Amino acid sequence: DAKTTQPTSMDCAEGRAANLPCNHSTISGNEYVYWYRQIHSQGPQYIIHGLKNNETNEMASLIITEDRKSSTLILPHATLRDTAVYYCIVIDIQGAQKLVFGQGTRLTINP
Amino acid sequence: GAVVSQHPSWVICKSGTSVKIECRSLDFQATTMFWYRQFPKQSLMLMATSNEGSKATYEQGVEKDKFLINHASLTLSTLTVTSAHPEDSSFYICSARAFPGTSGSYDEQYFGPGTRLTVT
Repeated sequence: DAKTTQPTSMDCAEGRAANLPCNHSTISGNEYVYWYRQIHSQGPQYIIHGLKNNETNEMASLIITEDRKSSTLILPHATLRDTAVYYCIVIDIQGAQKLVFGQGTRLTINP
Repeated sequence: GAVVSQHPSWVICKSGTSVKIECRSLDFQATTMFWYRQFPKQSLMLMATSNEGSKATYEQGVEKDKFLINHASLTLSTLTVTSAHPEDSSFYICSARAFPGTSGSYDEQYFGPGTRLTVT
């Protein structure tokens, strides 16, 4: 079973920041937080990952709370092409590193 | 970035026939490949983990005799759906984990574009 909970759906206006929350209250010390997204009828795409520090790359920023029990993915200037299902996944790097996908958040960017 | 391809991208077959789906890592070697299945409006479900040169490990509830996995090289894994039935119609996605694997660190996984199987 997925170890994360996310809102089922969210809407965001084009050009605004999209903030996607994720709860992972049972996360352990070896587990990273990874974000993927899936645009309709395509394979998932890696976005960003982190352990305990905030991270930023060309796609997004990841804010992880100090207790690591939740995180927020931020798309700073959402475009219509960011409409997708976003998955927050915790991965134990000491284990088999299997990705277990939950239901994710269906983000719709509106013009 | 690393590229994973799947072939075919879509296939229609008749009930009772077998279908083979290929997953290739194009510019890197993959010690491990994963196969997922996704039904409409649902999330990805991991079916099996495929390691090069060894037998695949199937998730609970996935029939290994129906979904045959072969990982013959570091760049190719195949999934064969044997005696396909309409309920096997789904979107099949593979991912490849880069080689070499490093103990204690995460090895990036790259996903293929998926194969849509329709069984009539």
